[in-house]
Amino acid sequence: GAGVSQSPRYKVAKRGQDVALRCDPISGHVSLFWYQQALGQGPEFLTYFQNEAQLDKSGLPSDRFFAERPEGSVSTLKIQRTQQEDSAVYLCASSFRRGDQPQHFGDGTRLSIL
Amino acid sequence: GQQLNQSPQSMFIQEGEDVSMNCTSSSIFNTWLWYKQDPGEGPVLLIALYKAGELTSNGRLTAQFGITRKDSFLNISASIPSDVGIYFCAGPYQTGANNLFFGTGTRLTVIP
Repeated sequence: GAGVSQSPRYKVAKRGQDVALRCDPISGHVSLFWYQQALGQGPEFLTYFQNEAQLDKSGLPSDRFFAERPEGSVSTLKIQRTQQEDSAVYLCASSFRRGDQPQHFGDGTRLSIL
Repeated sequence: GQQLNQSPQSMFIQEGEDVSMNCTSSSIFNTWLWYKQDPGEGPVLLIALYKAGELTSNGRLTAQFGITRKDSFLNISASIPSDVGIYFCAGPYQTGANNLFFGTGTRLTVIP
């Protein structure tokens, strides 16, 4: 497809398990962003990539959160030892140029931690 | 810390009516962005504003960058049912920053 694709769309995990969320940005887009959106709230910034370089990870809430984009295209957000407060929708966005604001969002992965 | 407050929190309007919503910040922003989010989907960028006082239109949508640089406004004219959704304002934490700070959202319901 032509848009940002995220998988899985829904993920249920038990507290303490590790999860991995995938983002396929629009082909050729340099900038890639991860956001966390709690129920009834606006998205909150997690991290930003320019190609394969993670230039800003100031929004990652703890060292249990890790993101990578090793070849400058697909990105994975990993959460280790999940906790109930990690339950949220995780949104990925991409933009064509470096320095652009997030322009194209995926539909997100809804993560539920039991 | 940084706060972006949107008002109203929710609106119920009749189809065909005009809509106004606003966003205020505790800090000066150099860029304002407006997004719309439908249930189960990601936000969609509607309008971007880059200069104080700027007025920009996108179809029936018009947004303005307040001259104080601490507020922005979004107007929708002649609302239609597909305008239903949550509207978010957003701005970068600092000039040139890539990470956006989103507002609290305005939920719009259009009654046919």
